[in-house]
Formats: sequence, C-alpha cells, structure tokens
Amino acid sequence: ETGVTQSPTHLIKTRGQQVTLRCSSQSGHNTVSWYQQALGQGPQFIFQYYREEENGRGNFPPRFSGLQFPNYSSELNVNALELDDSALYLCASSFDRADEQYFGPGTRLTVT
Amino acid sequence: GQQVMQIPQYQHVQEGEDFTTYCNSSTTLSNIQWYKQRPGGHPVFLIQLVKSGEVKKQKRLTFQFGEAKKNSSLHITATQTTDVGTYFCAASGSARQLTFGSGTQLTVLP
Repeated sequence: ETGVTQSPTHLIKTRGQQVTLRCSSQSGHNTVSWYQQALGQGPQFIFQYYREEENGRGNFPPRFSGLQFPNYSSELNVNALELDDSALYLCASSFDRADEQYFGPGTRLTVT
Repeated sequence: GQQVMQIPQYQHVQEGEDFTTYCNSSTTLSNIQWYKQRPGGHPVFLIQLVKSGEVKKQKRLTFQFGEAKKNSSLHITATQTTDVGTYFCAASGSARQLTFGSGTQLTVLP
C-alpha cells in the first residue's frame, strides 16, 4: 500500500508569482483534501475533491484553486502569491469522504 | 463557522507523569478526531469518537467524548519521550470538512 506523497518538498517563490503543488493519494482513496498550516497553528481546510469534483471549500480566496485527476491525484494552484501564503501545505486522502484522513509529508512554501 | 478550542497550548511534563489535553466546542459535534504531529512531521490519525460519552483506549492513551458531544479529551498515562509532539483535535463538519484545534504541544523531559 503506497502512502500519500507530495511534491515538491520545499519551494521558494517571489510575491506575485504562481505555484502548483502536487499530491498523490493513498492507493484505494478517491478523496483528497488540502490544508494550509502556518507555523504553530493547526491545519486550515482549503478544499476537498471527491471523484474529480470540488466537494467543499474553506475560507480561502479564489486565487487558491485545485484539480483532481482520474487517478485521484490532485493539484493545488495558488496565484498572485502573498507573503502570508508562506506555510506548510498538506494534502490528505481518504476513502469516499470518510473522516479518517491520511496526510502526506507536506510542501513547505516560502514566499519572499 | 465551526470552531474548536484546545487547551493548554503548551505542556511540559517529566517523563512518567500524566498528560491531558482538552478540546471544546460551542456547538454539538457529529464526531471528533485526534491527530498527532511529531516535530517536522505531518498529522497522523489516532482515533475517531462518534457516540455521546464514548471512551476509547489505545495502550497508554485514553480518549473521551463528552455526553453533550461538545467536548473531548486525550489523556496519556506515564508519558514517554516518544509521546513528544503536538496533539490536535479535529471536528467534522459539512461535507466532511475537518476543523482543527490549535493543538497542544507536549514536551517530555527525560
């Protein structure tokens, strides 16, 4: 059984740029959720994808967008990066929107 | 939206002492989950509680869900250095969105 993987591990971008983060869900899982975790805080829900459709969205602006592919992998895109976007971005997969979520190692994004 | 408050924010204990973290909500929760995040790591699912008054045990860890389903606790008996990390509660809302508490960072002194 393959766990959740994310790429890249670390990323440094400049304010105003765009970034794409990738996530491969755990084998057998069809739901992917994305979270933003600032230093010293709990993860904040960005959105969830279930069978390639957005299934819920947290309090994040439209410049945060996503995709889920037929193999259930997912992308998180952030446009017009701001300094406050610097955080650990976590992807979590689950089966059929089940509550138990399996997190990937995260992508550490730094915006300068 | 749904909010969960978690206390304390930090806890330092001597190895062998007990530890408890509390999670509170102003609204009734459908369920509560607990996760552990080691320093530099990612959250790892520990358990989910669904029923009012539910108590579950995992070795030295005891999880409780309040009778009114508005609060929960995690108790660790006789802490070990391997227990170090941040413990988060998370409540499931609409569309299975998880709302995380701010976490309790546990330090275990040898």
